[in-house]
Amino acid sequence: QVQLQESGPGLVKPSQTLSLTCTVSGASITSDSFSWNWVRQRPREGLEWIGNISYSGITSYNPSLKSRVTISADTSKNQFFLNLKSVTAADTAVYYCARDDSFDYHIDYWGQGTLVTVSS
Amino acid sequence: DIQMTQSPSTLSASVGDKVTITCRASQSLSRWVAWYQQKPLKGPKLLIYAASTLESGVPSRFSGGGSGTEFTLTISSLQPDDFATYYCQQHHSSPWTFGQGTKVEVK
Repeated sequence: QVQLQESGPGLVKPSQTLSLTCTVSGASITSDSFSWNWVRQRPREGLEWIGNISYSGITSYNPSLKSRVTISADTSKNQFFLNLKSVTAADTAVYYCARDDSFDYHIDYWGQGTLVTVSS
Repeated sequence: DIQMTQSPSTLSASVGDKVTITCRASQSLSRWVAWYQQKPLKGPKLLIYAASTLESGVPSRFSGGGSGTEFTLTISSLQPDDFATYYCQQHHSSPWTFGQGTKVEVK
């Protein structure tokens, strides 16, 4: 059973960097069948794709966030990470990690999500 | 970016009803649309991908259709567990984008 679990601080100060970890079990992040994504859901808004990292470490980002986002991975721990710098209150959201199928890119597994609030 | 316009935003229905949600794309997606169900405090759950392929384990009362720019999610007979919010997503071109959601509520 594939499981993804987000972890990280629930409160970040404005202008600082939001850092989250996704721990994957039941699948290897080095499998060439999948890529590993971050998606967020801001209050009373829909879902927004942030970016992903492939099994080989190639990253792809949403242009709307590209200047502030870095996604990386630690294959030895089967984890991948999100760093979002220079945050503002507009970055307050539930952040999800998720897996997509590298054949046609549909997202098949999601974590439960973690709420990150940006506030001083 | 490809815009996904989902309708209606809210749908009131009763157990046993047939329910249809529509998603329109700002450009042709061929068949590359997925549908998700989300319940409060949970991550989305994949129901349908490639417009009409039912994810393993998803009840057959869920079906998807459409191609090009118009897509539908149909629940043939609404069950108590189906009251939730539903999202479409295009997996045709990066950045992947989602509809604004349809909340299916009790009538």
